[in-house]
This record gives sequence, C-alpha cells and structure tokens, in this order.
Amino acid sequence: QKEVEQDPGPLSVPEGAIVSLNCTYSNSAFQYFMWYRQYSRKGPELLMYTYSSGNKEDGRFTAQVDKSSKYISLFIRDSQPSDSATYLCAMSEGGGSYIPTFGRGTSLIVHP
Amino acid sequence: DTAVSQTPKYLVTQMGNDKSIKCEQNLGHDTMYWYKQDSKKFLKIMFSYNNKELIINETVPNRFSPKSPDKAHLNLHINSLELGDSAVYFCASSQDLDISFPYTEAFFGQGTRLTVV
Repeated sequence: QKEVEQDPGPLSVPEGAIVSLNCTYSNSAFQYFMWYRQYSRKGPELLMYTYSSGNKEDGRFTAQVDKSSKYISLFIRDSQPSDSATYLCAMSEGGGSYIPTFGRGTSLIVHP
Repeated sequence: DTAVSQTPKYLVTQMGNDKSIKCEQNLGHDTMYWYKQDSKKFLKIMFSYNNKELIINETVPNRFSPKSPDKAHLNLHINSLELGDSAVYFCASSQDLDISFPYTEAFFGQGTRLTVV
C-alpha cells in the first residue's frame, strides 16, 4: 500500500458542477496537508494547505481533513473550464520531517 | 520574473550519455529540491539541499548527482542515462523551517522533460 493514495481519474464534469477530490493516507504522523494544482506541461503550484483536522475555505475551494479516517478532500464549487488540471494532494509530518509526500494526482476536466 | 527556472525545458538524448539540468531560484530560499515525475504522474523526491549540504537522498541511483554552487542554484547531473530515466524532472525551493513557521510551501519550476532513446 502506498503511503498516499489518490485516484488518477480522469474526472470529467460539466461547468458549474461541484467537484470532490480525495486522498487517503496511511501515515498517522502526517500533520500538514496540501493541495497542489498542476496544469499541463507546468510545475505544481500550491492551492491550499491545512494543518491537522478541520476545514479551510478559500473562494470556490474548500479543503477538509479527517485525521481519524486518514482522509482529505478538496471541493471545488461552480467549477470552471480553467479549473481543468491535475490536482495533487501532498502531506508532511512537519517539524524535522517536512518533505511532502505526494499523491499521484487526479486529472480533472471541466467541459463547457 | 520567474521564481524557479530550470533549463533545458526539453532534453532528448541517447542511452549512455551524460547530461545536466540546471535550476535557479530568485526567492532567497535556503532549501532546494529535485523531484522526478514519472509517466504515471507520481511525483517523488530525489534530493534536497539546505545551505549547500545534502540533507536527504531518497535512494536514487548514484548515476544522479546534485551539485549546488550556491544556495540559489541546484543542478542535476546524470551519468550513463538509461531508458528508465525518461521522466519529467522538477526543481523546487522552499524557505527554511523554524519553530514559528513549521510549514513550508515548495515552489516548483516548469520541469524538464527528459526522453532517453
């Protein structure tokens, strides 16, 4: 079992839909949870991060962490074609072990 | 003004060749990284450098050697290239950690698409 599991998709949705992206993990020491967005032929860029359990909202994006279930989610409301990208979850233990472990990414396609 | 830049963007080379990929960051960060993203999109850490010292090496073949002439540059040299080395290589940087800022965001370059034929 890989340390971070993420369905590669692709996930295809119509414009305006609510998108749910998820990752599961096995390392209970992870404390920092991140979502990166990667457009085709570009490097990943940080979208959101959260610490420990709970929700965080930023515009149309909401990140949720459930440490008891070792499950994190990213919700995108009113999805736009410009949201079409690969979304990678990443997580780290923090402190002296801060190199994030990435999921393989979920490819999202939002069609007009 | 590009924060993390790497060259070349594309690299096609034959098996057995030696090649280098260059990376520069103008963010003033102290830590730089090399990641490998394979055809299945897995992004895996290869090296990180902090203040010109290697602080992690994720069991990559010793044909790969990172070289950091200063804290703004981290180059990747690859000897005796093999078909399996074909991938996209990303350079990234982040600021150092301290107790008051235990989380660090990594800023990535655009990647170097290496194809070994």
